[in-house]
Amino acid sequence: GAGVSQTPSNKVTEKGKYVELRCDPISGHTALYWYRQSLGQGPEFLIYFQGTGAADDSGLPNDRFFAVRPEGSVSTLKIQRTERGDSAVYLCASSFGLYTEAFFGQGTRLTVV
Amino acid sequence: TQLLEQSPQFLSIQEGENLTVYCNSSSVFSSLQWYRQEPGEGPVLLVTVVTGGEVKKLKRLTFQFGDARKDSSLHITAAQPGDTGLYLCAGWVQTGANNLFFGTGTRLTVIP
Repeated sequence: GAGVSQTPSNKVTEKGKYVELRCDPISGHTALYWYRQSLGQGPEFLIYFQGTGAADDSGLPNDRFFAVRPEGSVSTLKIQRTERGDSAVYLCASSFGLYTEAFFGQGTRLTVV
Repeated sequence: TQLLEQSPQFLSIQEGENLTVYCNSSSVFSSLQWYRQEPGEGPVLLVTVVTGGEVKKLKRLTFQFGDARKDSSLHITAAQPGDTGLYLCAGWVQTGANNLFFGTGTRLTVIP
């Protein structure tokens, strides 16, 4: 597709379970970002990839959160032992690099019950 | 602590009125962007400002970047119901972190 694609669009999981959220960036975009957004708030930075490597993971809230981008394209955000406080919309964005326009996916709404 | 503070947080106005949204920080940004987000969608870029003091116009929207590149404003003239949404400023910090920081957001409702 032409835009950033995120799957699933909605995910409901039980507290304590493991979840994976997928992001398919725009082809050719080397930079990929994950954000978390609570209702009515601005996106909160989680992690930034340049190619395959995590250039900045300072936004990951704790060691339950982990993200990979093994081939420099698709990225997976992994959350272990989910907690109710993890409920939010997780946004992915991609761009050609730093300081360039970032294009966002529609997000994955995660609900932990 | 938020790097970028937006005000007001909520704004409800009548169709045809003018409004201004502010985005402020104590940090210097190499560039600053404004996004608009609708429910169930990701943010969509409206404009990027790069030079201190720069003013950009996009139809009824006017964006200004502060001279010191620490703040920005978005002015909407003759607001329409279609302008309703969450407006977000975002910026690349000039030094240090390599990521795009977002503001706290302004939720605008334009009443017909």
